[in-house]
Amino acid sequence: EDQVTQSPEALRLQEGESSSLNCSYTVSGLRGLFWYRQDPGKGPEFLFTLYSAGEEKEKERLKATLTKKESFLHITAPKPEDSATYLCAVQAPGTYKYIFGTGTRLKVLA
Amino acid sequence: GAVVSQHPSWVICKSGTSVKIECRSLDFQATTMFWYRQFPKQSLMLMATSNEGSKATYEQGVEKDKFLINHASLTLSTLTVTSAHPEDSSFYICSAGPSMNTEAFFGQGTRLTVV
Repeated sequence: EDQVTQSPEALRLQEGESSSLNCSYTVSGLRGLFWYRQDPGKGPEFLFTLYSAGEEKEKERLKATLTKKESFLHITAPKPEDSATYLCAVQAPGTYKYIFGTGTRLKVLA
Repeated sequence: GAVVSQHPSWVICKSGTSVKIECRSLDFQATTMFWYRQFPKQSLMLMATSNEGSKATYEQGVEKDKFLINHASLTLSTLTVTSAHPEDSSFYICSAGPSMNTEAFFGQGTRLTVV
């Protein structure tokens, strides 16, 4: 069964304390892996798309990487405004549907 | 990125009434849109796939007669919650993308409260 698992569920960081969020997936042939940020009461905001193992994407303090089994979202020197829920999703072959993980709730303390 | 707009952002309705939620792609055409439901502190649950000019495809366990989807144009899909009850209260979100092979963009979401 196609599945996406994110860890940790919740993470509290001090401002400037770098860390990584994990997204593990089991899917028979990955078409794409997507990272989104969701603020409370809002729809998810697109961050990155990764298609093949070894691929990396960067945007400001965020960097996403992909292996054959998992993806990491690295947050370097986070700021309080980075506090949000980060969602990972995969697009399985033969379908355009997304399979979402349960998300990581990140809180960055000033 | 592409823009998907959802309306209204929040709605309160009485039990037994129907509510319509609109999802528009503002700067691209979308033959397919997706509707999700999200409970507090939980992830997105796909409800249905909306196909322009044809019937929607519903996920297992989603009542098609309760959640009516109409995708009448390439830029608009609507979700109507019929005979709403308090248990239908939730956060509803739509998504679409310029291409089915790339990232999807999400609307702002609609908070539905049934009283």
